[in-house]
Amino acid sequence: KNQVEQSPQSLIILEGKNCTLQCNYTVSPFSNLRWYKQDTGRGPVSLTIMTFSENTKSNGRYTATLDADTKQSSLHITASQLSDSASYICVVILNTGGFKTIFGAGTRLFVKA
Amino acid sequence: DAGITQSPRYKITETGRQVTLMCHQTWSHSYMFWYRQDLGHGLRLIYYSAAADITDKGEVPDGYVVSRSKTENFPLTLESATRSQTSVYFCASGLPNTGELFFGEGSRLTVL
Repeated sequence: KNQVEQSPQSLIILEGKNCTLQCNYTVSPFSNLRWYKQDTGRGPVSLTIMTFSENTKSNGRYTATLDADTKQSSLHITASQLSDSASYICVVILNTGGFKTIFGAGTRLFVKA
Repeated sequence: DAGITQSPRYKITETGRQVTLMCHQTWSHSYMFWYRQDLGHGLRLIYYSAAADITDKGEVPDGYVVSRSKTENFPLTLESATRSQTSVYFCASGLPNTGELFFGEGSRLTVL
C-alpha cells in the first residue's frame, strides 16, 4: 500500500534553533517528492521539490534531503523564526502518468520566542 | 488577480441541506482537485478532474458531487449535508509535469 509517514506529529522549538522533520514513504513508482508549508488558516504552499536523482536542495533556511534507497526525506530548518510556525506536509508524486499524489499527515511546528 | 479562489470562505448549514463550494482558477491548469482536511487525517482527496468534462473519484467521494463544464471552475456540491462533512475544504489546481499543487485559501464548512 502506498503510504507517506511523517514524524514527529508535532514539535516545539525555541526561536533561533534548528530542527529536522522526517518523511518516510512506501510509494511506487516514485516520481518526485515535495514539501509544503501550511500556515494556520491558509492553503499549503510548495517549499521544495526533490526528484529521484537529487540528494539535497535548499530554499533559503529550508534544506530538503532525499535518500531514494531508504525511501526517506527530511526537511531541515535552520535558525528558526516565529514565522516558521506552521504544518509541514510531505507529498509524494507517483510516476503513473496523470497526477497521483500521496500525502503525509504533516508535522505541526511551533516556534516559541 | 491570477490565482485560485474559493467561496464561500466560511459556511454554516444544517443537516440535509444542499451546499455548493466554488473554486475558480486563472492559470488554465488542466488538473483540479478537492480535498478535505480534518484533525488527525491530513488532506484527503475527494474528487479530481483532469480536464473539462472529465472527473474522477478520490479517496473519500461519498456524499459529494462535482462538475467541470469549464476549465477554470470546479464546484463541489454536498447534496444532503451531514455532520460528518464538517471540515475545511481545499481546492487545488496543478501541473502534472512538475507535480506541484496550488491551493486555495480553504472553505470552512460547519454542518449543524
